[in-house]
Amino acid sequence: GAGVSQSPRYKVAKRGQDVALRCDPISGHVSLFWYQQALGQGPEFLTYFQNEAQLDKSGLPSDRFFAERPEGSVSTLKIQRTQQEDSAVYLCASSRRRDRGYEQYFGPGTRLTVT
Amino acid sequence: RKEVEQDPGPFNVPEGATVAFNCTYSNSASQSFFWYRQDCRKEPKLLMSVYSSGNEDGRFTAQLNRASQYISLLIRDSKLSDSATYLCVVNPGGTSYGKLTFGQGTILTVHP
Repeated sequence: GAGVSQSPRYKVAKRGQDVALRCDPISGHVSLFWYQQALGQGPEFLTYFQNEAQLDKSGLPSDRFFAERPEGSVSTLKIQRTQQEDSAVYLCASSRRRDRGYEQYFGPGTRLTVT
Repeated sequence: RKEVEQDPGPFNVPEGATVAFNCTYSNSASQSFFWYRQDCRKEPKLLMSVYSSGNEDGRFTAQLNRASQYISLLIRDSKLSDSATYLCVVNPGGTSYGKLTFGQGTILTVHP
């Protein structure tokens, strides 16, 4: 079946631009996660949704980062006024179970480069 | 101190070798543990969960020592296709449950 998809796969933004990254989770998956992966590091948690509710946004690095999942399916991560330190791969993952503990399936990521 | 620490390597081993990776975690209340594999420029994929009793999946064996807060992964009879980054992953307990915490990753290269 179809896995988690993300778009765009690559994004180059000039410093100060706003970007929007899209995630299509596996159909029927209740939980959705966003992670940020810097070069040579493991992914770091950004935020978590259960259906349309954003239950944890403790990992968002600043108020320039905003995520939504209005209908409990597709999610968008928005970064306003991008900075060079925002350059990273942004990974989306989805999980079937409500309790967040079940296996998380990752999408291919969006590689963001801020110039 | 990082919540999950791994030796970043790289480990360079010949085909057929046995290689072991170690990982330590700082949160003693952590509830579940995993090894993920990540190929270059690809997404992480679950390799195996790790249980206190130890578990094996073919050539791969994972061990957990809760008292020492230590996780290991053993790969026997290495194949060229095992070349990847291996991520130690911890699922914290309590209100952070599900917020996976990843180690830096250990790079493995298996050569002919």
